Amino acid sequence: EAQVTQNPRYLITVTGKKLTVTCSQNMNHEYMSWYRQDPGLGLRQIYYSMNVEVTDKGDVPEGYKVSRKEKRNFPLILESPSPNQTSLYFCASRRSPDSLSYNEQFFGPGTRLTVL
Amino acid sequence: AQKVTQAQTEISVVEKEDVTLDCVYETRDTTYYLFWYKQPPSGELVFLIRRNSFDEQNEISGRYSWNFQKSTSSFNFTITASQVVDSAVYFCALILDSSNTGKLIFGQGTTLQVKP
Repeated sequence: EAQVTQNPRYLITVTGKKLTVTCSQNMNHEYMSWYRQDPGLGLRQIYYSMNVEVTDKGDVPEGYKVSRKEKRNFPLILESPSPNQTSLYFCASRRSPDSLSYNEQFFGPGTRLTVL
Repeated sequence: AQKVTQAQTEISVVEKEDVTLDCVYETRDTTYYLFWYKQPPSGELVFLIRRNSFDEQNEISGRYSWNFQKSTSSFNFTITASQVVDSAVYFCALILDSSNTGKLIFGQGTTLQVKP
């Protein structure tokens, strides 16, 4: 089954304790991205990756890091989480970001993070 | 700049009522795609529909219908004979064909509550 998986699904942590949210897709997609969802703001892009070893900042990258060492994985790293990073996080993937014709974006199930 | 506005933050209806969720978008691009997603209380994003900017035909899928009007930059979503299971947050989103970030631009979301 084609899917994007995220782990953990729920996480409660404390300020400053480094954490990683994993994201994996089994569709051999080139493009992956991370969004955060906050009330009244919708979803905003944090980082995206066009392919292996190619990553770039989205609209709200502060406090986050990513890596893309393999095509299937795109972990989101919070080196020193703060309470304002409490949010619902979604990973997404697409076959490619090419504009020639739209290819569907697949979303993971979401990770609900609380930073105390 | 591109933007998606969902002016209705929350809507409450009684079961079997019809309800329309508004979505207004801003872009100067001529080629783009519009989406609606449903987010039930479980949190995942459920894809409902995609429309490209050259296809202004309205679409009906069961109790769901979508009205795309380029003249008013709107892509409204109507649920006919609403049911309790329709209670969710609904997001409208836009992606530009010319995007070099692959980013989906989301509206703020509309929370729909359908009461029995």
